[in-house]
Amino acid sequence: DTAVSQTPKYLVTQMGNDKSIKCEQNLGHDTMYWYKQDSKKFLKIMFSYNNKELIINETVPNRFSPKSPDKAHLNLHINSLELGDSAVYFCASSHMDRGQMGTGELFFGEGSRLTVL
Amino acid sequence: GENVEQHPSTLSVQEGDSAVIKCTYSDSASNYFPWYKQELGKRPQLIIDIRSNVGEKKDQRIAVTLNKTAKHFSLHITETQPEDSAVYFCAASRDYGQNFVFGPGTRLSVLP
Repeated sequence: DTAVSQTPKYLVTQMGNDKSIKCEQNLGHDTMYWYKQDSKKFLKIMFSYNNKELIINETVPNRFSPKSPDKAHLNLHINSLELGDSAVYFCASSHMDRGQMGTGELFFGEGSRLTVL
Repeated sequence: GENVEQHPSTLSVQEGDSAVIKCTYSDSASNYFPWYKQELGKRPQLIIDIRSNVGEKKDQRIAVTLNKTAKHFSLHITETQPEDSAVYFCAASRDYGQNFVFGPGTRLSVLP
């Protein structure tokens, strides 16, 4: 019963191709994220959706387009792949708790390692 | 926006010794500070967190301290074991869990 699952786990593709990574969470969370982890292990936020609405859109090339069909899913589509897109992409979810109760813990998926040749 | 710095970038300790990792943040509105551990090839997982209304929190061999005035927080691991070897990330966020900004990570190696 994986809490945050993403597919595929590994993706090897040629420059210029278009690819998608899918993410699903069964935790009932209202917020989902995409993070990019490069070869130096930096974890950088790319996008965040709360209740299917985009709330964070960092400086990411517009070749990257997230789509959230419902609260439990957040997919990432990448057009015209470049060598620099090679990284591990992590999906994550949390509950946006604005009060004093609960936890803001981020639950990560297992990651999708994208290699662009 | 928030900026989180983390030191050291690598840390080697002998098994049984203590390890300390320090982070600073820039946004005084940040109020939630989690620490994540990422083992090789695995996902980051929460190990301990602290909110801005608390100065210290402990869970067995790990503890976190927060100094709001100085805007820094630290992770302390006592009696280190080989399985503590991993990359550790600190993070800061507003609203107890919105827009997490991560530090660059510390690679901890515990030598037997």
